[in-house]
Amino acid sequence: GNSVTQMEGPVTLSEEAFLTINCTYTATGYPSLFWYVQYPGEGLQLLLKATKADDKGSNKGFEATYRKETTSFHLEKGSVQVSDSAVYFCALPAPGAGSYQLTFGKGTKLSVIP
Amino acid sequence: GAGVSQSPSNKVTEKGKDVELRCDPISGHTALYWYRQSLGQGLEFLIYFQGNSAPDKSGLPSDRFSAERTGGSVSTLTIQRTQQEDSAVYLCASSLEGGGQGNQPQHFGDGTRLSIL
Repeated sequence: GNSVTQMEGPVTLSEEAFLTINCTYTATGYPSLFWYVQYPGEGLQLLLKATKADDKGSNKGFEATYRKETTSFHLEKGSVQVSDSAVYFCALPAPGAGSYQLTFGKGTKLSVIP
Repeated sequence: GAGVSQSPSNKVTEKGKDVELRCDPISGHTALYWYRQSLGQGLEFLIYFQGNSAPDKSGLPSDRFSAERTGGSVSTLTIQRTQQEDSAVYLCASSLEGGGQGNQPQHFGDGTRLSIL
């Protein structure tokens, strides 16, 4: 079935540092790919998505490109802020006609220090 | 409100009791999902509703778990005879529709933190 593997955390960065969180996937076909973010004490929020190969999703300074050749969807941000401290999840739909169930990576906790 | 609403936000109960968790999806969203988030297991899919029907209950961990949805809107997840391993955060999500390679993003509530003593 479809699955994602994302880098283990925690990741600690200083403010204004460059961020990369790696995500690779195994999938049947070319499903949409998602990054979700969970701030402390809150539910998951959709951060960005890409629906086909070579698409770049972007939001709040974060970017991720759907790379079919490397089966990757790495999350990047050029200059992180303290407010970006959260847990980040890579996700894709389960295979099948419905494709509604999301399969999540284990999450990467990011802490940004001033 | 504009987002997915879950209640209660926190629930502490004794082992063996029944609990009921509620989810109010975004208005107009026909698809509704329940997930469980626990330290050891990460995020696990529990059940999916399209309208009031649940075509996929494959993620429910045991027959102590059940869920229903009425009026194509509010859903309740019921756990009977709770066990300590049921302690987790239960997340509800909704989307405009449930199919199509997941192109419709799922919008999550803040979850219910369930603690079984």
